[in-house]
Amino acid sequence: DTEVTQTPKHLVMGMTNKKSLKCEQHMGHRAMYWYKQKAKKPPELMFVYSYEKLSINESVPSRFSPECPNSSLLNLHLHALQPEDSALYLCASSQGQTRGQGVFGYTFGSGTRLTVV
Amino acid sequence: QKEVEQDPGPLSVPEGAIVSLNCTYSNSAFQYFMWYRQYSRKGPELLMYTYSSGNKEDGRFTAQVDKSSKYISLFIRDSQPSDSATYLCAMETRFGNEKLTFGTGTRLTIIP
Repeated sequence: DTEVTQTPKHLVMGMTNKKSLKCEQHMGHRAMYWYKQKAKKPPELMFVYSYEKLSINESVPSRFSPECPNSSLLNLHLHALQPEDSALYLCASSQGQTRGQGVFGYTFGSGTRLTVV
Repeated sequence: QKEVEQDPGPLSVPEGAIVSLNCTYSNSAFQYFMWYRQYSRKGPELLMYTYSSGNKEDGRFTAQVDKSSKYISLFIRDSQPSDSATYLCAMETRFGNEKLTFGTGTRLTIIP
């Protein structure tokens, strides 16, 4: 299995709603990522989990809350979002940093297209 | 100055043409270089990766890295309409964090 699976593919939510995005990989990758991508822009890193621990938080507002229940799963909990948070949310995984070799070759999911109304 | 610069295009070429996509970077600590292809409404897909200066070929695709000039390129030979997508360069330092730095992406259209 060489895929990263994201659900749901599309999500419309109100500003008072609470929802969660889910991501799953079974490649044995030790690092998992959340990215946000606006139209015609490159992906922007939000969070990195390495060996199930949060290693990077790119100063993301607290209305986005990541969770890594185990090495195969990554969630992004959403609460009180704003319309400007509408974007494609991408999950990715990689082998992670091993003996200083650095990250190499992310595998991205197809993303969740989020619309906040 | 951005760490990675990439011409956003759009770039339109006829089918069968050779396409050249380029990125420049300013951070000499970047050691690993990648090219991703992203179709509309899909996640990026890793096309090529390399960590040394020179050329790396895979089918119709050739990745070129010139660390002395801080310049990377992706060449597509015999371009096909299915190559129409946004191409993102990405790079990462050898030491430390797990953060990729992306270029802004080039939108490519191959005209049949």
